[in-house]
Amino acid sequence: DVKVTQSSRYLVKRTGEKVFLECVQDMDHENMFWYRQDPGLGLRLIYFSYDVKMKEKGDIPEGYSVSREKKERFSLILESASTNQTSMYLCASSQRTDSPLHFGNGTRLTVT
Amino acid sequence: GENVEQHPSTLSVQEGDSAVIKCTYSDSASNYFPWYKQELGKGPQLIIDIRSNVGEKKDQRIAVTLNKTAKHFSLHITETQPEDSAVYFCAASIKSGNQFYFGTGTSLTVIP
Repeated sequence: DVKVTQSSRYLVKRTGEKVFLECVQDMDHENMFWYRQDPGLGLRLIYFSYDVKMKEKGDIPEGYSVSREKKERFSLILESASTNQTSMYLCASSQRTDSPLHFGNGTRLTVT
Repeated sequence: GENVEQHPSTLSVQEGDSAVIKCTYSDSASNYFPWYKQELGKGPQLIIDIRSNVGEKKDQRIAVTLNKTAKHFSLHITETQPEDSAVYFCAASIKSGNQFYFGTGTSLTVIP
């Protein structure tokens, strides 16, 4: 079974801090994604990557950056956390965009 | 880009009854339609998917139908059980693209 592991289940950070969310997948998938999940808004794509060192902006990239130095690892970076970035963050991977997405269990980030 | 709409946002059914969740999409090039179930505290899990060359697919109590002409697809759960209670998301993607587009989710409650 594919496993997507997010390093933290819960994080509490202060406004202005730099925050790193880490994600690792173990199935050699080409594509990796970061989503943000908020009540009533569903899943919104922040960034995705279809290859090492490649990245594409999703629908809501403002305030975020990403890094993909190795195929199995995709990091989401909040350069200066703000309270409106309090949310559930979900990482996912897939072999292709017409094959299933596999999600991690999410990181619930609270920015105070 | 693609726009996926999902209805209803909440659904309550008696145990043993059927549940139907409907989604529409806008881009006729979309060719892959997965459905995800998200239980509390977990990431979304794929439960069934369908490709554009198929009109219906069934897996035990779960079925998905696709109407390409009308650009809509539906999830059908028969003989519902309390453990079916969760949030369900539909999605659409294009093989030539590199994104998945999600509906806003349906919170299903199965009343014992």
